[in-house]
Amino acid sequence: IVLTQSPDTLSLSPGERATLSCRASQIISSSYLAWYQQKPGQAPRLLIYGASTRAAAIPDRFSGSGSGTDFTLTINRLEPEDFAVYYCQQYGGSPSLTFGGGTKVEIK
Amino acid sequence: EVQLVESGGGLVQPGGSLRLSCAASGFIFSNYDMHWVRQTPGKRLEWVSTVDSAGDTYYPASVKGRFTSSRENVKNSLYLQMNNLRPGDTAVYYCARRWLYGMDVWGLGTTVTVSS
Repeated sequence: IVLTQSPDTLSLSPGERATLSCRASQIISSSYLAWYQQKPGQAPRLLIYGASTRAAAIPDRFSGSGSGTDFTLTINRLEPEDFAVYYCQQYGGSPSLTFGGGTKVEIK
Repeated sequence: EVQLVESGGGLVQPGGSLRLSCAASGFIFSNYDMHWVRQTPGKRLEWVSTVDSAGDTYYPASVKGRFTSSRENVKNSLYLQMNNLRPGDTAVYYCARRWLYGMDVWGLGTTVTVSS
């Protein structure tokens, strides 16, 4: 399963809303879709699992939604620390895992 | 504190071998499936291996037959033996703890460079 993220880069100002897309090449269960945030020099951090459940200590301005092949990560009221790269990831059978190519949220 | 610490990365020639280690602390290691994930110089994340709590292993086609992962629960450690390395294996290698269908704890990574 291929995950395609869009856009590649999102230029926004603090306080604005970010909407990131992750599209799968075939239908996947919502349970199997996760989102991560990565800042320079750091490992990825789990934000959302099961498409819409926030991981521990993740602020409620982060929300996930979607089903089937189309999934969305929304960040309401961007804070300075939210400017980073975001990846989606799906967990397939066997198991197998794939990641999207990432969306960079940069300060406008 | 829940923590994962990778080690063993370095510079190796094409065709060479390297063994990575991941030391876990702060949680009951034996209860969790564990993953290896790498990040390429282009920042792409790629799944490399999964070792489940029973010790069964899984790999993508890109590394199957060249990489072998294992765990030693008494030492709270995860390993990745990498043989016949290629320049395309150059990446930062992370170990990560499985949480449902995601990964909730990651190490800081160890860098592997395959070059002559």
